[in-house]
Order: sequence, then structure tokens, then C-alpha cells
Amino acid sequence: KAGVTQTPRYLIKTRGQQVTLSCSPISGHRSVSWYQQTPGQGLQFLFEYFSETQRNKGNFPGRFSGRQFSNSRSEMNVSTLELGDSALYLCASSPGTGDNQPQHFGDGTRLSIL
Amino acid sequence: GDSVTQMEGPVTLSEEAFLTINCTYTATGYPSLFWYVQYPGEGLQLLLKATKADDKGSNKGFEATYRKETTSFHLEKGSVQVSDSAVYFCALTGGSNYKLTFGKGTLLTVNP
Repeated sequence: KAGVTQTPRYLIKTRGQQVTLSCSPISGHRSVSWYQQTPGQGLQFLFEYFSETQRNKGNFPGRFSGRQFSNSRSEMNVSTLELGDSALYLCASSPGTGDNQPQHFGDGTRLSIL
Repeated sequence: GDSVTQMEGPVTLSEEAFLTINCTYTATGYPSLFWYVQYPGEGLQLLLKATKADDKGSNKGFEATYRKETTSFHLEKGSVQVSDSAVYFCALTGGSNYKLTFGKGTLLTVNP
């Protein structure tokens, strides 16, 4: 069974630009979550999508947005990039129904802002 | 809100030594508890989980027991190997809430 696939693996952008990251979940998984990992703040939850609807949201500004498609693939968009947005962005998927289902992570997209 | 506190390390051990990484949590209700491991340049891999009090999660020689009375979920391994060198994260979710709350991570280095 293929794991969670994130593309691209690396991105370099400049301040003020926008960026779109992509995540393909494990086949059959309908929940996709996004996390930001930085050395200072650690792992922080961005949002979770289930059946094309945002179901949970973390404490990030509106510049961070996402969506999910009917095939459960998800994209995350960051507009007006800031230096502080440099991070590893991780996507995780799970079945999405039933309690206590573990999340399975991709290898992440490393975003660097110049 | 929910929170996880784990020893930040770094932890440096010799091969075959005993490992303990402490993890305590604060949560409303009855959370599920997880340990994830991150190898350099990779994402997080689920190491083990426990979903209710007194459950013991185990995998690859690692163990952790869900202790509700002490709100703890300490990770242990009897004999570490060089290949166990990685960052270990303790995490929780609150039932059907799919948001994972993570500790800061503990860097483990095992020397031959």
C-alpha cells in the first residue's frame, strides 16, 4: 500500500510570493491533516479536512488555507510569504471515521523563504 | 487546552543501554496517546499507541504504558541500537478530534 505522498519535496520562494503544496493520502483515507514543523515552535497543527470539508483548524493566520478534492487529495496554500514561514510542512492521513485512528505522515515539503 | 511535555534531551547512550524518555500530558476527557519517530530528512513514523488507561503499546522493542493516574506515557526500550538514533515525539489526540498535539521532541543518539 502506497504511503502518503507530498510534492514537491523542496521549495524556495521569496517574501511576498505565494505557494501551493500537495498531498496524496493513503488509498481509502478520507482525512488529511497539515502540520508545520520549525525548530522554535516544534510541530503545530494547521488544519484537517474530511470529505472536502475543513473539520478542524489550528491557530494560524488566514494566509494559510487549504482544500480537499473529491479523491481526498489535498492542497495547502500560503499567500504573501514571510521569512517565518520557512518550515517543514507535513501532511498526514487517516481513515477519518471512528475514534483513535493513528495518522500516517508523508516525508514533508521543505519550504525556504529568501 | 491539551498539552504534552517530554524531556527534550538530547539523550546520548551507548549501544545496548536502557532507554527511558519521559512524557506527561494535560488533556480533557480521555485522550489517545502516541509515540512517533522521525529519522533525518523524513516525516514522522508511528512507533506505538495506546487508547485507554493501562493499555501498553509496543513495537520494535519499544514500550509505553498509558498511566491515567500520573498522566504519563513514558517510552522505554531495554537495549538500544545505533539504528534507533532519531527524534522521538510524544503526542495525543482527544477522541474523535483528529488534531495531534505534540511534545517538543527528544533527540536520541546511540553510539556504537
